[in-house]
Amino acid sequence: EAGVTQFPSHSVIEKGQTVTLRCDPISGHDNLYWYRRVMGKEIKFLLHFVKESKQDESGMPNNRFLAERTGGTYSTLKVQPAELEDSGVYFCASSSMTVYEQYFGPGTRLTVT
Amino acid sequence: AQSVTQLGSHVSVSEGALVLLRCNYSSSVPPYLFWYVQYPNQGLQLLLKYTTGATLVKGINGFEAEFKKSETSFHLTKPSAHMSDAAEYFCAVRVSGAGSYQLTFGKGTKLSVIP
Repeated sequence: EAGVTQFPSHSVIEKGQTVTLRCDPISGHDNLYWYRRVMGKEIKFLLHFVKESKQDESGMPNNRFLAERTGGTYSTLKVQPAELEDSGVYFCASSSMTVYEQYFGPGTRLTVT
Repeated sequence: AQSVTQLGSHVSVSEGALVLLRCNYSSSVPPYLFWYVQYPNQGLQLLLKYTTGATLVKGINGFEAEFKKSETSFHLTKPSAHMSDAAEYFCAVRVSGAGSYQLTFGKGTKLSVIP
C-alpha cells in the first residue's frame, strides 16, 4: 500500500510569487490534514478535510493560503502571494475514519526568498 | 486548548544506554497521546500511541511509553540505544472524542547516539 505522497519535495520561490503544493493521501482515507513546521518551531496544524469538506481550518494563518480537495482524493495548498515567513516544511497526513493515527507524508520544503 | 512540552531540544546518549525522552502535556479533556519519529530526509513515522486502556504502551523498534495522568506525562523510553535511533522525536496530543482531530505537537527532541 502506497503511503502519503507530496509534491514537490522542495520549492524555492521569490516573495510575491505563487506556489501550489500537492498531497495524495493513502487510498481510502477520508481524513486529510495539512501541517507546517517553520524553522525552529513546532509542527502546527493548518486544516483538516473530511472527504472534500473542510472540517477544521482554524490553523490557516491568513487568506493567502487556499486549500482544496476536489472529489475527496488529492489535496492542494496554494500560497498566493508568498511571503518570507511562509518558508518552512509543509506536511500532509491522512487517516481513515476508524483509527486514531495519522500517517504523514515526507513533506514539502518551501523556501521564499 | 492543549499543549505539549518536550524537555530538551537535544539529547545525546551512548550506544547501549537507556534512552529517555520527556513529554508533558496539558489538556482539559482526556487526551490521546502519540510519539512520532522523523529520520533524516523522511516524513514522520508513528512510534506508538495511547488512547485508552493499558497505560504502558509498546511501539516499534523497542520503544515504549507510559501514560501517567497524575503527572500529565508520556515519556518515551528504550532500554538500549542503537545507532539507528538517531533522529528527531515528536510528542503529540489530540483531544479524545468527537470534534477536531488536529494534533498538537511539542517542539521535538533530536536524539544523537554516540558510538
